[in-house]
Amino acid sequence: GNSVTQMEGPVTLSEEAFLTINCTYTATGYPSLFWYVQYPGEGLQLLLKATKADDKGSNKGFEATYRKETTSFHLEKGSVQVSDSAVYFCALTSGTYKYIFGTGTRLKVLA
Amino acid sequence: SQTIHQWPATLVQPVGSPLSLECTVEGTSNPNLYWYRQAAGRGLQLLFYSVGIGQISSEVPQNLSASRPQDRQFILSSKKLLLSDSGFYLCAWTAGGQQYNEQFFGPGTRLTVL
Repeated sequence: GNSVTQMEGPVTLSEEAFLTINCTYTATGYPSLFWYVQYPGEGLQLLLKATKADDKGSNKGFEATYRKETTSFHLEKGSVQVSDSAVYFCALTSGTYKYIFGTGTRLKVLA
Repeated sequence: SQTIHQWPATLVQPVGSPLSLECTVEGTSNPNLYWYRQAAGRGLQLLFYSVGIGQISSEVPQNLSASRPQDRQFILSSKKLLLSDSGFYLCAWTAGGQQYNEQFFGPGTRLTVL
């Protein structure tokens, strides 16, 4: 079946450091891929998405590229801020109405 | 624009009591609707989804049930709560008739069963 694997957290970085959160997936067909962010006590917010191979999703300085050859969708940001501290979820859907989420990666950014 | 509402925001209930959580979506029609549960510090567990009024698909055969009495209303219920039902309940929607689009989440309901 379909699955999403994310790197274990927590990830602790200093402000302005480079961020990478790894995400790999297993899916049949051609899934759409997403990154969501969750702040404490809130629901998930869509951060970015990509719907086909080699697409690059970007938003608020975050980027991720849909790599079909490596089945990956790693999240990157060049310079993190304290306000980026949150839990990040990688997710996919492959046309079955269901969405598969990774277990989440907690990011803590220190001033 | 579309908005999604959930209530209540917080709920504390005794074991064995009933439950009713409500979710409504505004600004769209015939959405696909979802209920998830998130245990503390954990990922999302899909509980139910619905692609139309009266159509409910269950992913987790537990003491929970879901109903969709109106196009944009999704209700999560239980007749008798268990301690293990504690968690953060999230409602989400996607555009109806489409299967590859993003989900949009509500603000969540924090349920504590004592």
